[in-house]
Amino acid sequence: EIVLTQSPATLSVSPGERATLSCRASQGIHTNLAWYQQKPGQAPRLLISGASTRATDIPARFSGGGFGTDFTLTISSLQSEDFALYYCLQYSLWPQTFGLGTKVEI
Amino acid sequence: EVELVQSGAEVKKPGESLRISCQASGYVFTSYWIGWVRQMPGNGLEWMGVIFPRDSDIEYRPSFQGQVTISADTSTDTIYLQWSSLKASDTAIYYCVRRFGSSWFDFWGQGTLVTVSP
Repeated sequence: EIVLTQSPATLSVSPGERATLSCRASQGIHTNLAWYQQKPGQAPRLLISGASTRATDIPARFSGGGFGTDFTLTISSLQSEDFALYYCLQYSLWPQTFGLGTKVEI
Repeated sequence: EVELVQSGAEVKKPGESLRISCQASGYVFTSYWIGWVRQMPGNGLEWMGVIFPRDSDIEYRPSFQGQVTISADTSTDTIYLQWSSLKASDTAIYYCVRRFGSSWFDFWGQGTLVTVSP
């Protein structure tokens, strides 16, 4: 199985600041990576697929990048509704695997 | 609009059986893989398995093979996740997910909390 390592585990940011989250794969996965946001008591929501393609209705302040083993999710200017857990998912190799998540807190 | 609506929370005892459901709407049910993701208390996400309703082809993550059964009913656009003998370690939230081709999970149900306690 491919292991995804997300860092940091917790990111403390002020509203309006930029947040950069990292996801590293244990082997190369091309751009076969997605990002999800999960708020307390809610199901995860797809933000990004193909490493950099925003899903429908996702604001432009969310951007993804990377290739191979190193990926980033950037939130350009944090809004109050962005404080949540973020997970990456690789779908390059079966079975699909998730990272353990990064909590973005105030 | 794609929607995945799951059955309600369950409280069971170890050794009991259980079946939870997920009804899909807003798309052609037989054209997409659909399955289950587990989230244990305070933990991350783990893909369990998916089914292709058109032909009932199923993929199980190896660690769940033989532990659960996934099935689909094309007459009601519903999938199921079934246990024959629950364990305390099955306590978790179970999410129904639609898989986009063989890749990412694009739509999620609201989750079903399963609590297994003596």
